[in-house]
Amino acid sequence: ILNVEQSPQSLHVQEGDSTNFTCSFPSSNFYALHWYRWETAKSPEALFVMTLNGDEKKKGRISATLNTKEGYSYLYIKGSQPEDSATYLCAFTGNAGGTSYGKLTFGQGTILTVHP
Amino acid sequence: ETGVTQTPRHLVMGMTNKKSLKCEQHLGHNAMYWYKQSAKKPLELMFVYSLEERVENNSVPSRFSPECPNSSHLFLHLHTLQPEDSALYLCASSRTRGQSEQFFGPGTRLTVL
Repeated sequence: ILNVEQSPQSLHVQEGDSTNFTCSFPSSNFYALHWYRWETAKSPEALFVMTLNGDEKKKGRISATLNTKEGYSYLYIKGSQPEDSATYLCAFTGNAGGTSYGKLTFGQGTILTVHP
Repeated sequence: ETGVTQTPRHLVMGMTNKKSLKCEQHLGHNAMYWYKQSAKKPLELMFVYSLEERVENNSVPSRFSPECPNSSHLFLHLHTLQPEDSALYLCASSRTRGQSEQFFGPGTRLTVL
């Protein structure tokens, strides 16, 4: 059974604060690590798909890093805004030949609330 | 609007009913997925279809029966469900299976009485 863990489970920050959270995943048979943002009453929306060790990706105020050797990824939000409030999900997929190829195994998510 | 639509958005059914969930993607993707989200659990993959062929059945009970008649449509046929099957059912699609990002529909909130 694959274990994808996210921490913290929930986070409350003030508008303007910068924040980060963690996703840990199996370091063997790695293929890709996905980050999604899921706002209430909407569909999950892809933020990043990361495949290479040391990858850093950025979209506006949100960025992510990837360490496949130790099995973790960080998501950073700079200058949080109330509209950033959402559940942030990471998901792992393994490489071809492994049992997890083509399948996303999701973490439980980090619920972020940004207070005005 | 993600390009993936699901109907119905809400469904209440009894344990003896038969119903179907429908998913349609307008993105030209080759892979489609069904996920289940139960309360306080991570999103769980149920089925994967790639080029209309089922490539993954994640140990899902036979009371859930998927169908993919073409690359744009995916159904989940439900029969003799249990109350513990009440959950949010999400459909997703991606360009290829594996690496590419998935685009999710809004989900069907299912309640089994």
